[in-house]
Amino acid sequence: GESVGLHLPTLSVQEGDNSIINCAYSNSASDYFIWYKQESGKGPQFIIDIRSNMDKRQGQRVTVLLNKTVKHLSLQIAATQPGDSAVYFCAESRGNNRLAFGKGNQVVVIP
Amino acid sequence: DGGITQSPKYLFRKEGQNVTLSCEQNLNHDAMYWYRQDPGQGLRLIYYSQIVNDFQKGDIAEGYSVSREKKESFPLTVTSAQKNPTAFYLCASSNWDWEPTRDREPYSNQPQHFGDGTRLSIL
Repeated sequence: GESVGLHLPTLSVQEGDNSIINCAYSNSASDYFIWYKQESGKGPQFIIDIRSNMDKRQGQRVTVLLNKTVKHLSLQIAATQPGDSAVYFCAESRGNNRLAFGKGNQVVVIP
Repeated sequence: DGGITQSPKYLFRKEGQNVTLSCEQNLNHDAMYWYRQDPGQGLRLIYYSQIVNDFQKGDIAEGYSVSREKKESFPLTVTSAQKNPTAFYLCASSNWDWEPTRDREPYSNQPQHFGDGTRLSIL
């Protein structure tokens, strides 16, 4: 199927290394942020979220960092595996329970 | 298993034809959403519904229509007025909370969960 990753910024990472994916958000009033992973031909899959009263949150092999001062969000993936190859989107809260999504970053894991 | 089911997976539309994309969820979520995704792009909001029998336009609602007659269902119709309908359509659902300090407006503190999409193409 057609790749959702076409013409996206691409991060190539060696299997076993750590990956860092960055996202700049626009609204200083946003108080909730989410990272999604999307594989080709599938819908986005929830990875981890963070609220603005935190600056770090950890999950299984993933860590999200939030820097409200510079409106920056990052996702760190430890010990990257081939199954981590996908497009990763950040999303920030808007009014009325809506989300605004970034354009995405393609991650390619090299075996 | 709980989840969101979109059908069909692939759909073809002829010129001047309306087509309807199905979205069903059994997560008991109040809110449902439709997005459009084009290659190399993020998700753009078409319509959303926070509760049964109510829905609002998103950022790109022109040429689309929706209904929300049941909590678990939120079908999207792509009308002939939508001149560039070829895209990947994604449906999502979520819970939401009232924010007591913002005049009781609903705010996001729950992730949206997505179906696996319908790819619409023009014949």
